[in-house]
Amino acid sequence: GAVVSQHPSWVICKSGTSVKIECRSLDFQATTMFWYRQFPKQSLMLMATSNEGSKATYEQGVEKDKFLINHASLTLSTLTVTSAHPEDSSFYICSALGGAYEQYFGPGTRLTVT
Amino acid sequence: EDQVTQSPEALRLQEGESSSLNCSYTVSGLRGLFWYRQDPGKGPEFLFTLYSAGEEKEKERLKATLTKKESFLHITAPKPEDSATYLCAVQTNTGNQFYFGTGTSLTVIP
Repeated sequence: GAVVSQHPSWVICKSGTSVKIECRSLDFQATTMFWYRQFPKQSLMLMATSNEGSKATYEQGVEKDKFLINHASLTLSTLTVTSAHPEDSSFYICSALGGAYEQYFGPGTRLTVT
Repeated sequence: EDQVTQSPEALRLQEGESSSLNCSYTVSGLRGLFWYRQDPGKGPEFLFTLYSAGEEKEKERLKATLTKKESFLHITAPKPEDSATYLCAVQTNTGNQFYFGTGTSLTVIP
């Protein structure tokens, strides 16, 4: 149980285009999901907290107009990187909050912007 | 200020050589402490949740313990497949705020 999927697992896009990443909780409902960014050999950096049916809460320094988050259902949250640039290239990981407050992570999405 | 510190940053062990990883925390109120394993290029895999001082949990060669200031992840007779980065995270009881440590990179040499 407690499986979280992400799609796509990797994506390459051109500078200036937008990319959408999906995060799904497959066998449980999650009112809260988190989006992280991870640079090589570094720990997770929380970008935003996504709550079903309400606006996401962004961490300081994260541009909400650039990283659009939608949590339209109890099993799906999406992160859209708008007008992507090479500096947005990173490993993006989502997680879903389980019933005992533990986070279950997706496998991550490797974004490369050329 | 709430924070989580993990040590050591990196650890190399011979196969079978037991050791411990440390996670020290300072938070206003602890709801839970979590241990994760992360392999390169993958998302973290949930290992344990600890809620109160004195609690212990085990899974195969791993055992997690918790005090009021820190948690240890004990690895008994590790194998090469235990090589990974181990992350700890603390959740405060004032909301859904999580604080992650920077992780310990474990390498087990055959």
